[in-house]
Amino acid sequence: QQPVQSPQAVILREGEDAVINCSSSKALYSVHWYRQKHGEAPVFLMILLKGGEQKGHEKISASFNEKKQQSSLYLTASQLSYSGTYFCGTGDQFYFGTGTSLTVIP
Amino acid sequence: GEEVAQTPKHLVRGEGQKAKLYCAPIKGHSYVFWYQQVLKNEFKFLISFQNENVFDETGMPKERFSAKCLPNSPCSLEIQATKLEDSAVYFCASSQRDRGFQYFGAGTRLSVL
Repeated sequence: QQPVQSPQAVILREGEDAVINCSSSKALYSVHWYRQKHGEAPVFLMILLKGGEQKGHEKISASFNEKKQQSSLYLTASQLSYSGTYFCGTGDQFYFGTGTSLTVIP
Repeated sequence: GEEVAQTPKHLVRGEGQKAKLYCAPIKGHSYVFWYQQVLKNEFKFLISFQNENVFDETGMPKERFSAKCLPNSPCSLEIQATKLEDSAVYFCASSQRDRGFQYFGAGTRLSVL
């Protein structure tokens, strides 16, 4: 029941773009995205409540395809501060995704 | 308060000892969640509360784990007779709604030796 994220890990150079995908075997009514830096608590990034909804936060945006039970997180022109592990969370919030480790290097 | 406060930050126990972790949710948040993070990339849901009532406890190993959220007191997660595999960071989170986004505490690192 845990959503599966891909890729598991990605390394980017500053300024490059990345996409992180989250797929669920259960119907999704909403999707949340969080970022966790090493040794810290996860921090909420955004929530998508409707199918097809796209939301943005600075250079980080996300989409939600209810029919495909998928969500994608888009990071554009990555910055060093974007490094961390990204988790999606299903709407009922009891299951977090498998996580994607993102490292941005100079 | 404006943040989820977890205590202690670190807890060391010998195998078989009891461990008790505390969580004060953000004021006004009705939902409290407990998670166990053993490996960096895995969050395991343990239990959730709506105010002082258990909302979902499907993730709890009931033999040794118990949790409470009583009025006017921090929520607590207790592990009786800890085992080596209980070593993990335990996160508490609170939310205004059951499907609302969650604010996380800084976590309690439990080391069972």
